[in-house]
Amino acid sequence: DGGITQSPKYLFRKEGQNVTLSCEQNLNHDAMYWYRQDPGQGLRLIYYSQIVNDFQKGDIAEGYSVSREKKESFPLTVTSAQKNPTAFYLCASSKYSSSGANVLTFGAGSRLTVL
Amino acid sequence: DAKTTQPPSMDCAEGRAANLPCNHSTISGNEYVYWYRQIHSQGPQYIIHGLKNNETNEMASLIITEDRKSSTLILPHATLRDTAVYYCIVRGFPLNDYKLSFGAGTTVTVRA
Repeated sequence: DGGITQSPKYLFRKEGQNVTLSCEQNLNHDAMYWYRQDPGQGLRLIYYSQIVNDFQKGDIAEGYSVSREKKESFPLTVTSAQKNPTAFYLCASSKYSSSGANVLTFGAGSRLTVL
Repeated sequence: DAKTTQPPSMDCAEGRAANLPCNHSTISGNEYVYWYRQIHSQGPQYIIHGLKNNETNEMASLIITEDRKSSTLILPHATLRDTAVYYCIVRGFPLNDYKLSFGAGTTVTVRA
């Protein structure tokens, strides 16, 4: 079945360490997104990519970096510059339909805890 | 993107219909209304979307007012598994800007 795979599901990090979260999709979607969710809050956009080798900052990009070398993959690196990285991270992908609708498909998420 | 307003929470009895309102008074003509839901600690799940007409699928119905300034998601027979946070989003096409953030949504609790 087509879908989005995020790994790892749980990750623990010491302060000062960079970590990379993986996101892979086999839906042949052009656009991919990374969101951050804090307890009791909505989803905030970190980065998004419309096509391979191109990506744009979202609302809270500071302390994060991404790459989009392949259509299927959009890894997120949480750097030591991110002051409060403990959160639930969600990856999504989408493709515009011929009708103009743009439905997002989400992965199961990765929960990062800084010790 | 047009801003949406949803009540922070609502309760529903199991087996009854759940009607979730969403206000999007600044919606423009080419913007779709989308609904997603997020069960605790999982990724959000797409439910339904619409432009002008009412829509129905196996999960829910979407009723959009004639002026398109508000909509209602209807879960016809709520079950305990429908307990989740429900997000109402509006989004336009064509669009060069793929920015899309989700607000706090409505926390729906279905009670036995």
